[in-house]
Amino acid sequence: AQTVTQSQPEMSVQEAETVTLSCTYDTSENNYYLFWYKQPPSRQMILVIRQEAYKQQNATENRFSVNFQKAAKSFSLKISDSQLGDTAMYFCAFMKQSGANNLFFGTGTRLTVIP
Amino acid sequence: GAVVSQHPSRVICKSGTSVKIECRSLDFQATTMFWYRQFPKQSLMLMATSNEGSKATYEQGVEKDKFLINHASLTLSTLTVTSAHPEDSSFYICSAAQTQGFNQPQHFGDGTRLSIL
Repeated sequence: AQTVTQSQPEMSVQEAETVTLSCTYDTSENNYYLFWYKQPPSRQMILVIRQEAYKQQNATENRFSVNFQKAAKSFSLKISDSQLGDTAMYFCAFMKQSGANNLFFGTGTRLTVIP
Repeated sequence: GAVVSQHPSRVICKSGTSVKIECRSLDFQATTMFWYRQFPKQSLMLMATSNEGSKATYEQGVEKDKFLINHASLTLSTLTVTSAHPEDSSFYICSAAQTQGFNQPQHFGDGTRLSIL
C-alpha cells in the first residue's frame, strides 16, 4: 500500500519570500510519479508540478520547484517569490506507474501568504 | 486546458432522499473518471474509479449500493448517493483522464458540497 505524509498542517510566508512544503511517502514500487496539487478557496484542484521517479533531475515550473530524494522517499515543494494567489491547500500525491492511475493524496498543508 | 464540469456545486436535501452528481469532461473524452470524497480539512479519499462502458471499481470500505456510479459515455459520469443520511454530508470531487497512465493527468471538477439535513 502507498501512503503519503505531509507533516505540516499549516504554514505561512511573507509575500515575495520563499517557502518549502514537505512531503514523504512510502511505497514498495520502484517506478512511480509524484505530484503537487493546489486547492484554492474556490476548491478546484489544480496541478502545480509533477515528477517521474526515474528522473534524477528535479522538476521546475516557473516559481515552483521540487526537491526529490528517492532514497529518502521525500518530495518537497519550494515556492519562490510567494504571491497572494498562492494561498491555498497544497496536496502531495503519488501514482503508481503500472496499473490504474489512482492518485494517493497526503493530508494537505494550508499555506497562507501574508501581504 | 482541459475542463471538467461538476454539477450541482451545492445541494441540501432531507435525509432519505437520493442525490445525483454529474461530472462532465467538456473538451476531451474521458476514458476514466474518478470520484473522491473530502471531509473538512482533510485529504481527498478515492471512492471509486469508473471506466466508460464498464462497472466502477470501488475502494475498500465504500458501499457500491450506497454510491452508484455510472459512466455511460466518454464525457459523462454520475454519482448517485442513495437514501442519503447526515453522515453522507461531505465534499465530493470528480476527476477525469483521457487514458490510463501518467501522461494523461487527471483534471478535476469544482466539487459538490452535499449537506443532508
